[in-house]
Amino acid sequence: QKEVEQNSGPLSVPEGAIASLNCTYSDRGSQSFFWYRQYSGKSPELIMSIYSNGDKEDGRFTAQLNKASQYVSLLIRDSQPSDSATYLCAGSRGGGSNYKLTFGKGTLLTVNP
Amino acid sequence: SAVISQKPSRDICQRGTSLTIQCQVDSQVTMMFWYRQQPGQSLTLIATANQGSEATYESGFVIDKFPISRPNLTFSTLTVSNMSPEDSSIYLCSGGTGVGETQYFGPGTRLLVL
Repeated sequence: QKEVEQNSGPLSVPEGAIASLNCTYSDRGSQSFFWYRQYSGKSPELIMSIYSNGDKEDGRFTAQLNKASQYVSLLIRDSQPSDSATYLCAGSRGGGSNYKLTFGKGTLLTVNP
Repeated sequence: SAVISQKPSRDICQRGTSLTIQCQVDSQVTMMFWYRQQPGQSLTLIATANQGSEATYESGFVIDKFPISRPNLTFSTLTVSNMSPEDSSIYLCSGGTGVGETQYFGPGTRLLVL
């Protein structure tokens, strides 16, 4: 069974710190990876997508992918209380019907003022 | 990105009844999907909605329980049939568009079955 595992959390960091969220996946056929943020009572909101090994930066967010280690991470720099949410890691094989996403269970992040 | 709307946003239903959820996307998408998110849990894919043909269901989900239609590229419906309290959940549709088929989610339908 294809699985996506996330560090269970919850994760608590002080305001201004770096929050590190980690994810591993079992399906070596996975090509695309996504980080979603979900506030309580809301639907998932896309933060980052990453398809190639290495780092991808967007503002305060950096996604890292290592396909050899089957590892994806998300770093949030200068964490803000508004970053407090559940972060979902998802992977897909891509291509036709394989674009369906497999989600991890999510990591609850709390940023303390 | 795609803007996705769903209706109803929430409903309270009696067991044994059925509810149809509608999903509308503001631009043409290649793929549409239906997910379920049970309280405190992550998202589980129910099925891929295929335009003009039968949906592709994931293990554990069947057409008789969750019939899905997608008559055109931008609209889909999910029916939750013969509901029981175990069907109480959030139902989300998503649309995939652009490079890598990034998926964007609708606001969800919160269903409570009594």
